Amino acid sequence: DIQMTQSPSSLSASVGDRVTITCRASQGITNYLAWYQQKPGKVPKLLIYAASTLQSGVPSRFSGSGSGTDFTLTISSLQPEDVATYYCQKYNSAPFTFGPGTKVDIK
Amino acid sequence: EVQLVESGGGLVQPGGSLRLSCAASGFIVSSNYMSWVRQAPGKGLEWVSVIYSGGSTYYADSVKGQFTISRDNSKNTLYLQMNSLRAEDTAVYYCARGRPSGFDIWGQGTMVTVSS
Repeated sequence: DIQMTQSPSSLSASVGDRVTITCRASQGITNYLAWYQQKPGKVPKLLIYAASTLQSGVPSRFSGSGSGTDFTLTISSLQPEDVATYYCQKYNSAPFTFGPGTKVDIK
Repeated sequence: EVQLVESGGGLVQPGGSLRLSCAASGFIVSSNYMSWVRQAPGKGLEWVSVIYSGGSTYYADSVKGQFTISRDNSKNTLYLQMNSLRAEDTAVYYCARGRPSGFDIWGQGTMVTVSS
């Protein structure tokens, strides 16, 4: 099975900073990569699918890129409401493995 | 409104069984692929199982042979039958709708606690 890794596992940044999270698949998944945001005590929310397509209603400061095995999620200007854990997920075929998550908070 | 509502969680003794339900509204369960995802306390998301529109099912290795996913088309409801429960199965269980865009709709989750 394909394994998903993320880095860093956590980060702390200032409001307005550019934040980048990396996700790597152990084998190529073309662009079948989704990013989810989970705020503390809340349900996960789909942010980006097909590696770079923003889900409807998601602020434009979020963006995704990559293909094959290496992907990134970027927050162009971190806001207080972005404090959350971010997960990548492969969804080309089962098992639909999630990455271990990256916890983002405000410095 | 498109939504998923889980039920059926609770406290169960090790070795016991539980059946989770996920009632859908605003869309047809059998026209989509539907998954269960769990999250142990303080841990990350773990995909558990999927049922495709055609009826094919797949499971994470951690629950294969222990859990069974199914659906009732007449009730527009997804199920997860969990047997031989262990402490490590303690988690919030979410159902989610799968699309070509990933898991776009999630339920609010139902807590399963396995403890004596």
